[in-house]
Amino acid sequence: GESVGLHLPTLSVQEGDNSIINCAYSNSASDYFIWYKQESGKGPQFIIDIRSNMDKRQGQRVTVLLNKTVKHLSLQIAATQPGDSAVYFCAERTTGNQFYFGTGTSLTVIP
Amino acid sequence: GAVVSQHPSWVICKSGTSVKIECRSLDFQATTMFWYRQFPKQSLMLMATSNEGSKATYEQGVEKDKFLINHASLTLSTLTVTSAHPEDSSFYICSASRPGEQYFGPGTRLTVT
Repeated sequence: GESVGLHLPTLSVQEGDNSIINCAYSNSASDYFIWYKQESGKGPQFIIDIRSNMDKRQGQRVTVLLNKTVKHLSLQIAATQPGDSAVYFCAERTTGNQFYFGTGTSLTVIP
Repeated sequence: GAVVSQHPSWVICKSGTSVKIECRSLDFQATTMFWYRQFPKQSLMLMATSNEGSKATYEQGVEKDKFLINHASLTLSTLTVTSAHPEDSSFYICSASRPGEQYFGPGTRLTVT
């Protein structure tokens, strides 16, 4: 399969601070990327996506940045809340229309 | 968003038995369904891709005779873990996709004793 990795396995932030979660992908031909949130014992939940022809996309409190030059993806969460505590995965879609997931980062928000 | 269900949500079985997990797209027709496996504190690993009416495509290292996938209709795919062993204990997650979108099921926890 493809290799998609994360730089930080765990991240702790104070409530109200901004969080940044990073992801490196390996397939330069991947055309679509998604960030997912997964709470314990549940399936992944879509957060935000970005296509390879974009370098930034904003949602509600979340922003995804894509740097194709260095094959790097990041998720920024503004004003992090306790409910944001979860594991976050990036996923890339390859030319075969398959999604490969990164290692995951466990985000803990400290009240 | 679209809803994907899995059944059962948790199954405990004895070593050597077979277990079937269902994945259903409840409000749309999925052209493709994917099966993933997730060990504790690890990422989702794609096991196979299945299109309705055709044989599944398995990822390298996944035994197709052990993990039988049937995609009988545009709303149902099943994964059967045959002759389960304790090392097959894992969280199995399906996703259903239509062009441009992918939706995940809640997952099925398999415990093999």
